[in-house]
Amino acid sequence: DAGITQSPRHKVTETGTPVTLRCHQTENHRYMYWYRQDPGHGLRLIHYSYGVKDTDKGEVSDGYSVSRSKTEDFLLTLESATSSQTSVYFCAISESGRATNTEAFFGQGTRLTVV
Amino acid sequence: DQQVKQNSPSLSVQEGRISILNCDYTNSMFDYFLWYKKYPAEGPTFLISISSIKDKNEDGRFTVFLNKSAKHLSLHIVPSQPGDSAVYFCAASAGRAGSYQLTFGKGTKLSVIP
Repeated sequence: DAGITQSPRHKVTETGTPVTLRCHQTENHRYMYWYRQDPGHGLRLIHYSYGVKDTDKGEVSDGYSVSRSKTEDFLLTLESATSSQTSVYFCAISESGRATNTEAFFGQGTRLTVV
Repeated sequence: DQQVKQNSPSLSVQEGRISILNCDYTNSMFDYFLWYKKYPAEGPTFLISISSIKDKNEDGRFTVFLNKSAKHLSLHIVPSQPGDSAVYFCAASAGRAGSYQLTFGKGTKLSVIP
């Protein structure tokens, strides 16, 4: 299994509070991603990183920010959590930025509930 | 506007028979397609992929077929085993360098009955 650790695995938070999810990898892969999975939507890309301090927005980036200060860590922050951000969040990593060159490995997910 | 569609939320198949999971797409820029398998409480794992220049790719019991003119792909599992019971996601990539941006379908839950 690829070395990806997401923390926490489960979290319940109140509306309006800030929340940070952490993704840690031991594979030294350049690319890291945050997806969310919701019933009826499959997985949708929130943000991704193509190197230290290099990030870009995905399909559903509103309300989220990310940071990557080290190769191994990619943080996802909800500045002020809302109930619509209740979801399962998956981190993924890939060696290459092109799907044709490599596969992406996913973490086990973080279940976030905003009450 | 859903660019990758898996119209069957669930599928039940007897052990030993063939499972056929279908996926349709609308974006003509997609040039690479992947299937991911997901067990409960785990992250998705890569299963098999196909480039748009091919119409078939096979890996053991798993075969993916691509019909570009119909914008349709399917995953065949033969023979189906109880361990194949999972949610299967179809995903597509537009092949832009620098971003592994996959567009996923909603998934199909496969149940293989012993």
